Amino acid sequence: KQEVTQIPAALSVPEGENLVLNCSFTDSAIYNLQWFRQDPGKGLTSLLLIQSSQREQTSGRLNASLDKSSGRSTLYIAASQPGDSATYLCAGANTGNQFYFGTGTSLTVIP
Amino acid sequence: AAGVIQSPRHLIKEKRETATLKCYPIPRHDTVYWYQQGPGQDPQFLISFYEKMQSDKGSIPDRFSAQQFSDYHSELNMSSLELGDSALYFCASSNQGVGWAGGYTFGSGTRLTVV
Repeated sequence: KQEVTQIPAALSVPEGENLVLNCSFTDSAIYNLQWFRQDPGKGLTSLLLIQSSQREQTSGRLNASLDKSSGRSTLYIAASQPGDSATYLCAGANTGNQFYFGTGTSLTVIP
Repeated sequence: AAGVIQSPRHLIKEKRETATLKCYPIPRHDTVYWYQQGPGQDPQFLISFYEKMQSDKGSIPDRFSAQQFSDYHSELNMSSLELGDSALYFCASSNQGVGWAGGYTFGSGTRLTVV
């Protein structure tokens, strides 16, 4: 079974800082990878999807990359804002039909 | 744009009761997935359906069953509820017909509380 680890588990930064969230997979044969945001008690909002033929995706202040050789992904958030405070989850799929989720990074951006 | 619709949003049941959760996928999505997220935990895959057939099975208890109907909506039936079943239940959909180009789209979830 795929195991997904996210580091750090929690992060607190002042507004305006750039930050990096990390995600690693025990099985590096990742087919698709998706980053999600989850606000407390709420659903999952998809942020970025990296498909099998891709290595990187960007959306606004967010950039996600995937190194398939090592089974690691990073989510880069530029110029962080208080509204970015949430839990960030990465999820990866092998060739099977399900995503495996990481345990999440709880981000707090301090005004 | 249409999203994945889940109902109800909240549900309170007593132990040993039965609950039914519904999921309506994005139009033209042919695959539905169910996930369970316990307090402070990451989502765990339960079961998925492709074209109304079960396609994959995860850590779904025998007390739970699910199906996908002809209009592609899906229902998760949970019987003999236990306190430990209290969780946020997510449904996601995708279109396998075009590969995973769109990834998953998740619904807002149903929060089940068993008392």
